[in-house]
Amino acid sequence: EAQVTQNPRYLITVTGKKLTVTCSQNMNHEYMSWYRQDPGLGLRQIYYSMNVEVTDKGDVPEGYKVSRKEKRNFPLILESPSPNQTSLYFCASSYGADNQPQHFGDGTRLSIL
Amino acid sequence: SQKIEQNSEALNIQEGKTATLTCNYTNYSPAYLQWYRQDPGRGPVFLLLIRENEKEKRKERLKVTFDTTLKQSLFHITASQPADSATYLCALGNNDMRFGAGTRLTVKP
Repeated sequence: EAQVTQNPRYLITVTGKKLTVTCSQNMNHEYMSWYRQDPGLGLRQIYYSMNVEVTDKGDVPEGYKVSRKEKRNFPLILESPSPNQTSLYFCASSYGADNQPQHFGDGTRLSIL
Repeated sequence: SQKIEQNSEALNIQEGKTATLTCNYTNYSPAYLQWYRQDPGRGPVFLLLIRENEKEKRKERLKVTFDTTLKQSLFHITASQPADSATYLCALGNNDMRFGAGTRLTVKP
């Protein structure tokens, strides 16, 4: 089954404790992206990747890191999480950036205390 | 600055009626526009894509229009059903994607 898989689905942690949210897709997609979703603000793009070893900042990249060492994986790293990073995070992938529908994972709800 | 506005946070309609959702944008020239559906606790699911040189696109009970002069897209669901109740997001893009905040549609039986 074609899917985007995020782990964990839920995480409660404390300020400053490094964490990684994994994202994996099995559709051989070139383009992958991370979003956060907050009430009233909608989905905002954090980082995106056009292909392996190519990453770019989205609208809200501060406090986040990403890597794209393999085509299927695109982890999101919070080196020193803070409470304002409490949010619902989505990973998405598509065949390309241009004119392609994105396939989303089911989300990761992060709470930073 | 670039802005995408879905001008209703919530829309309530009666079953069988046509739902019309609006997406307006400013300071942006997208090559395409997409509409997604999002159910509670789930990721968005792609519905339709329309390119800047297309005026209208249809898929079953769904219809999307794209007016680059008005900088507006309209999303219609005809013969609406309670199962259509969800949040609908518009997204504009070139290499990056920008989403509106969404409109929560409730279809009452």
